[in-house]
Amino acid sequence: DIQMTQSPSSLSASIGDSVTLSCRASQNIRSHLNWYQQRPGQAPKFLISATSPFQSGVPSRFTAGGSGTYFTLTISGLQPEDFATYFCQQSYSSPLVTFGGGTKVEIK
Amino acid sequence: EVNLVESGGGLVRPGDSLGLSCAASGFTFSSYSMNWVRQAPGKGLEWVASINSRSNDIYYADSVKGRFTVSRDNANNSLYLEMNTVRAEDTALYYCVREKSHGTSPLDYWGQGTLVTVSS
Repeated sequence: DIQMTQSPSSLSASIGDSVTLSCRASQNIRSHLNWYQQRPGQAPKFLISATSPFQSGVPSRFTAGGSGTYFTLTISGLQPEDFATYFCQQSYSSPLVTFGGGTKVEIK
Repeated sequence: EVNLVESGGGLVRPGDSLGLSCAASGFTFSSYSMNWVRQAPGKGLEWVASINSRSNDIYYADSVKGRFTVSRDNANNSLYLEMNTVRAEDTALYYCVREKSHGTSPLDYWGQGTLVTVSS
């Protein structure tokens, strides 16, 4: 199985800050990496993928990068609605996909 | 608008069975692979099962293989998960999830989930 490791597990930031979340795969997954946002009490929502870093309907402050085994999600200029937990997911071995443990972005 | 609505969750005793359903609308259900993904309380996401559009490619996570069965009814736009011999560790919110396209694509639409609690 492909293991996905996210770091940090949580971070605190202020409105307007820029933050970068990391996700590492246990083997080369090329660019088959997706990011999901889960706000408290809500279902996860597909946000963006490394293969298509600009997703329709997703604010441009979210950018996805990386390939191989290391990936990032950058949020440039945090907004109140961005405080949530973010999960990465590899789809290289689809349909046997795996998720990272999540990074919780909290308000400082 | 794509809509996925799960039902069938509840309290079940260890070793018992439970069936979950997902009603899909707003898209051509028969053209998409579908998945079940679960989330234990306060924990991360775990993929459970996948079924392709014609039900001839079905996969399970090792944690549920041999106990859970995924199926679908394209005529009624419905996805199912039959859970047998449930264990405490199956306690989770179960999401019905669409795969964006065939192959290495993201899971682009999620339902709100149905909660399964396994306890004596």
